[in-house]
Parts: sequence; C-alpha cells; structure tokens
Amino acid sequence: GAGVSQSPSNKVTEKGKDVELRCDPISGHTALYWYRQSLGQGLEFLIYFQGNSAPDKSGLPSDRFSAERTGGSVSTLTIQRTQQEDSAVYLCASSLEWQGGQPQHFGDGTRLSIL
Amino acid sequence: AQSVTQLDSQVPVFEEAPVELRCNYSSSVSVYLFWYVQYPNQGLQLLLKYLSGSTLVKGINGFEAEFNKSQTSFHLRKPSVHISDTAEYFCAVSSFYNQGGKLIFGQGTELSVKP
Repeated sequence: GAGVSQSPSNKVTEKGKDVELRCDPISGHTALYWYRQSLGQGLEFLIYFQGNSAPDKSGLPSDRFSAERTGGSVSTLTIQRTQQEDSAVYLCASSLEWQGGQPQHFGDGTRLSIL
Repeated sequence: AQSVTQLDSQVPVFEEAPVELRCNYSSSVSVYLFWYVQYPNQGLQLLLKYLSGSTLVKGINGFEAEFNKSQTSFHLRKPSVHISDTAEYFCAVSSFYNQGGKLIFGQGTELSVKP
C-alpha cells in the first residue's frame, strides 16, 4: 500500500497480558516513530528508529515497553504485563530521512483497550 | 527542551466564517514547526510546515500559518471554513539539533464547523 499500515486496528485485552502492535512504514522510509495518544496525556513520543537501530528510546514509559525493527522496514511495539493506564491509541509514523524537518506520515493507529 | 501550547481546546465556528487556531511554542534552540489535522478514527495528516524562509506558509485545504519568531507563535488560519474542516488540529515542533526529528505536540484544538 501507499501509506503507513498498522495492525491490529483495535485490540482488547485483559490486564497482565502481553500485546504486540505492528507497523508497516512506507516503502523506502528510513525513519520510523511510535507515538501514544491518550486523553490525559495527549500525543507523546515513544521511540524512534533510524534503520534498524533506535537512537532515541526516551519516551518509553517503563521497561514493560519495548520495540524492534527488522530489515529496515516492519516494526513491532511490545507491551508486557499490560496495565489499565496503557489504554490509548498507538500511532506509528515514518519519514523518508531521519533529520528534523522531514514530514512524518502517520498510520491510522491501534486502539488498545485494557480491561 | 521544547514545549507547545495550543491556546484553545475547542473552537466552534459557522460555515464560511474565518478561523484562527493559536499555537505558541517554547524552545532554547531553533525549531521546525508543523500543523497536523486528525479526522475521527484516523491518523494525523500534515497540513503545512515551516522550515525556513518566508514566514507565511501555505498548506493544503486552503490553510495557512504565519511564523512569528519574536512572539514564538505559529497560528493557523483559514479565511472561510467548510463543514468538512471539522477535526482536531495539532501544532508540533521538532528541533534543528535533535537528531531524529521527533515531534513534540500541543494538546490539540477541536475545530467544530456548524452550518
């Protein structure tokens, strides 16, 4: 497809379970970003990838959160032992290059609900 | 560190009226500036960006914004709004010097266009 693809679009899980969220960036985009959007906190940066490495993980809220990117393409965000405060929309974005000023293209997000 | 303040959480306006959505930022270094729009259950779409040069920036859907360095503002304007402009609008910055271009967002302004 032409845009950033995220799956699943919705995920409902029980507290304490692990979840994996997937992001397929635009082909050829070297930079990939994860953001979280919640009612209380707004839009927050989580982590950024340049190729397969993550130079900036400063936004990950706890060690229950991790992410990886393979082949310079698909990325997976994993949340272990989910808590109710993890309920949010998780947005992925990609850009052609990693330098600031590059426009970021966003997917439609994964809406995560923790029961 | 950077921060972004969107001065109005909600802006109701009648169709064909002009609108201004206000954004102020704080940063100790030079920044790039962006406006994104989010329609319900969708990701963010870039409206316009300011990187350098002319302080008046034109974007998609008839929107424009003016960068004012002395007032650290980047207000978004449209001379005549349509019902279809109803959405949430986010102002964002990224640092010149922060490798990776992560975006720092404001809290968003909900624009509601009424017939």
